[in-house]
Amino acid sequence: GEDVEQSLFLSVREGDSSVINCTYTDSSSTYLYWYKQEPGAGLQLLTYIFSNMDMKQDQRLTVLLNKKDKHLSLRIADTQTGDSAIYFCAAGYSSASKIIFGSGTRLSIRP
Amino acid sequence: GAVVSQHPSWVICKSGTSVKIECRSLDFQATTMFWYRQFPKQSLMLMATSNEGSKATYEQGVEKDKFLINHASLTLSTLTVTSAHPEDSSFYICITDGDSQYFGPGTRLTVL
Repeated sequence: GEDVEQSLFLSVREGDSSVINCTYTDSSSTYLYWYKQEPGAGLQLLTYIFSNMDMKQDQRLTVLLNKKDKHLSLRIADTQTGDSAIYFCAAGYSSASKIIFGSGTRLSIRP
Repeated sequence: GAVVSQHPSWVICKSGTSVKIECRSLDFQATTMFWYRQFPKQSLMLMATSNEGSKATYEQGVEKDKFLINHASLTLSTLTVTSAHPEDSSFYICITDGDSQYFGPGTRLTVL
C-alpha cells in the first residue's frame, strides 16, 4: 500500500521561505494534498495537486511535484508567525478514496 | 461550500462507557465517509471506510466490534466507541467524499 513520509521538524526565520518535503511510494496516487493543523485544531486543506501537474501556485504557497521521484514539496513564501503549525502531506487515488497521511512536519518560526 | 459537522466536538467519559460520534454532511450527500483518528503528536490513521447502506470496511488492526460504524443515510455516519478505555483517547475525524474531500472539525475523546 501507499506510504507517505516527511521530515518531522523544520525551523525557519520569519520572512524567509519554508520548504517542506514529502515522498510517497505509490505511483498510482492521483491526488496529492497538503494540510495544515494548528495547535488543538482540526485539519485545514491548504492545497492539492493532481499527479498530471508539475506545479501549482496559490498566493504564498507553491507545490512542486516530481512524479518520477514521487517527491512533493510545499513552499511557503515570506513565512509568518501565523504559519506555525504541523503540515501534513497526503496521497489518495481519487477524490472519493481514502487518504494516506504522512507523519506531519512541525514548522516553527524564529524571529 | 460543503460543510461537514461532527458532534460532539469534545467528550470526556469514564472507562467502560460507550461514546457515539456523529458525522453529518450538511448540504450534500455523502456516499462514503472515512473515519480517522489522531493520537497526540501523531498523524491521522484511517480506521474504517463507511459506505451508505452497507457494512463498513475496517483497516487492519481496528476492532470492528469495538468501533461500531453505522451509515444509515446519505447525510449521517456514526462511530460508536464501545467500552472505551484510556488508550482510546484520541482525536476522531470524519472525511467525506464528493467533488473534493471535506473534513469534519473532529471530536476529541478523553477517557478517564
